[in-house]
Amino acid sequence: LAKTTQPISMDSYEGQEVNITCSHNNIATNDYITWYQQFPSQGPRFIIQGYKTKVTNEVASLFIPADRKSSTLSLPRVSLSDTAVYYCLVGANDYKLSFGAGTTVTVRA
Amino acid sequence: DSGVTQTPKHLITATGQRVTLRCSPRSGDLSVYWYQQSLDQGLQFLIQYYNGEERAKGNILERFSAQQFPDLHSELNLSSLELGDSALYFCASRSQGEGETQYFGPGTRLLVL
Repeated sequence: LAKTTQPISMDSYEGQEVNITCSHNNIATNDYITWYQQFPSQGPRFIIQGYKTKVTNEVASLFIPADRKSSTLSLPRVSLSDTAVYYCLVGANDYKLSFGAGTTVTVRA
Repeated sequence: DSGVTQTPKHLITATGQRVTLRCSPRSGDLSVYWYQQSLDQGLQFLIQYYNGEERAKGNILERFSAQQFPDLHSELNLSSLELGDSALYFCASRSQGEGETQYFGPGTRLLVL
């Protein structure tokens, strides 16, 4: 499993864009990059997944540079309800998920 | 709602006891994963089953065991419980053809007194 490094915490204000960068220098050719969101006492929830370039859905965007050694999760116009822990994971094909400490995002009014 | 169900939602028991946690994966998902999340700890992968067979093992204690039944539901058995086993236990399921996404259940909160 490729090891990932992401910031421990980030603070933001409502309406701002939050960008969380994850480093994964040892990413393998067939690895996907997946982000999960977790609220206290709830199971992680899938946000977005990508392999290369840019992926966008109704919740977030994921930017992956050509070398794939990092990725950036972008949360547009955050609200108080986006306060959560965000996990970056890298792996492929039925891998067991290895969650690190994640990034605690705190959105303030 | 992820489609993964777990029972019970809460469980309070005493040290030395044995409990069983149950998980029903999303309809059609063959893979079931179990995770433990202690207070202020990250999610720790315990074990994975695929179509009834053990596929991968993580940091699962010998006092813990799991199985997946023909109807694909899974049970996690925790025995000789210790105070440190108090945690949230999550089950997740995954289907082929959806990339590497796992869908997590709401969890079972276990409190060992």
